[in-house]
Amino acid sequence: GEDVEQSLFLSVREGDSSVINCTYTDSSSTYLYWYKQEPGAGLQLLTYIFSNMDMKQDQRLTVLLNKKDKHLSLRIADTQTGDSAIYFCAESPLTGNQFYFGTGTSLTVIP
Amino acid sequence: DTEVTQTPKHLVMGMTNKKSLKCEQHMGHRAMYWYKQKAKKPPELMFVYSYEKLSINESVPSRFSPECPNSSLLNLHLHALQPEDSALYLCASSQDPGQSSYEQYFGPGTRLTVT
Repeated sequence: GEDVEQSLFLSVREGDSSVINCTYTDSSSTYLYWYKQEPGAGLQLLTYIFSNMDMKQDQRLTVLLNKKDKHLSLRIADTQTGDSAIYFCAESPLTGNQFYFGTGTSLTVIP
Repeated sequence: DTEVTQTPKHLVMGMTNKKSLKCEQHMGHRAMYWYKQKAKKPPELMFVYSYEKLSINESVPSRFSPECPNSSLLNLHLHALQPEDSALYLCASSQDPGQSSYEQYFGPGTRLTVT
């Protein structure tokens, strides 16, 4: 499989912005995704970006893609305690229906 | 409706038992997936069904047996499991098996404990 790396932990104060980073290796990836997983629950799709885009914004979420460096980030504005969860990035290659998940970042929001 | 449902939510089984996990979606998706997830780890792909045919088996032991009775249903039959098989089993679906552009929608998972 492909290598998709994330930092394991992030802690922010309520109201601050959170930035979760992801690096991937497959240069043929066409779509990159961000999923949120709360304790004991399945994965919730937050947003995704096509690899010919640099940025996508959706309410409090901003996705930035640096295709040259194979670096993806998710910025959460005005982070709330309900945002505490594990966040996974995922990439899918040009063909087939495989997903390669990152290692996951555990976000803790401090009230 | 972007919902994938899974039953049961929790399952405890002994190593000699036979049980089944069920997954259902009514979004008209033609690809369905089984993942295994250990605590604080990313999901690991087990099986992919495309148009009700098994297209990917990620070298999963034969004690796990998938079945896709129709385009809306996906089962995972379990037999003679080991304690290390205890995990969260996630089902997912996506619209078009051949297109990576279609995001996967996940169910809430079945928490399996093998005693």
